[in-house]
Amino acid sequence: DVKVTQSSRYLVKRTGEKVFLECVQDMDHENMFWYRQDPGLGLRLIYFSYDVKMKEKGDIPEGYSVSREKKERFSLILESASTNQTSMYLCASSKQPNYGYTFGSGTRLTVV
Amino acid sequence: GEDVEQSLFLSVREGDSSVINCTYTDSSSTYLYWYKQEPGAGLQLLTYIFSNMDMKQDQRLTVLLNKKDKHLSLRIADTQTGDSAIYFCAESRDTGRRALTFGSGTRLQVQP
Repeated sequence: DVKVTQSSRYLVKRTGEKVFLECVQDMDHENMFWYRQDPGLGLRLIYFSYDVKMKEKGDIPEGYSVSREKKERFSLILESASTNQTSMYLCASSKQPNYGYTFGSGTRLTVV
Repeated sequence: GEDVEQSLFLSVREGDSSVINCTYTDSSSTYLYWYKQEPGAGLQLLTYIFSNMDMKQDQRLTVLLNKKDKHLSLRIADTQTGDSAIYFCAESRDTGRRALTFGSGTRLQVQP
């Protein structure tokens, strides 16, 4: 069963901490995405990557960075966590950039 | 996603039909998608429609596309309590950003 695995289901971090959210896919997909989900705002794209070591900014990249050193892994980094980054974070991967996304179960991050 | 709009909430009785609506602004949209998110889970692809189609039917699901008005709808026939979830509309484009743009999501509540 193919899947996208996000390393943590729930995470609580302190303001100012550096936070790593990890995402691994086993489908040999080229494209990987990080979205943030907030009530009433839907999913907003933070960053995406269409190849190893490649990254592109989405709609809300401020306060975030990403790393893609291997094809199967895409990491989202919060350089200095703030309370307004409390949210559900969803990772997805796909063979084509605009088709056939497979989503992980999400990481609910709380910054206190 | 500011380019894709949905109403936030819909309540129906079990056995009735549900219609979830979505409007999008980009006329270059090629594929339009409906995703379902059950509580505590990631998003699952329900169905999609190519922009040169008007309608697509898949068992209890009917997707209607009005390109002139940039309006997409999802009809669920004989709605069941298991259909209670958040439904997201998403669009993809041939040009520009190579990632899906999602709407805010519609929470469907099915009353027994």
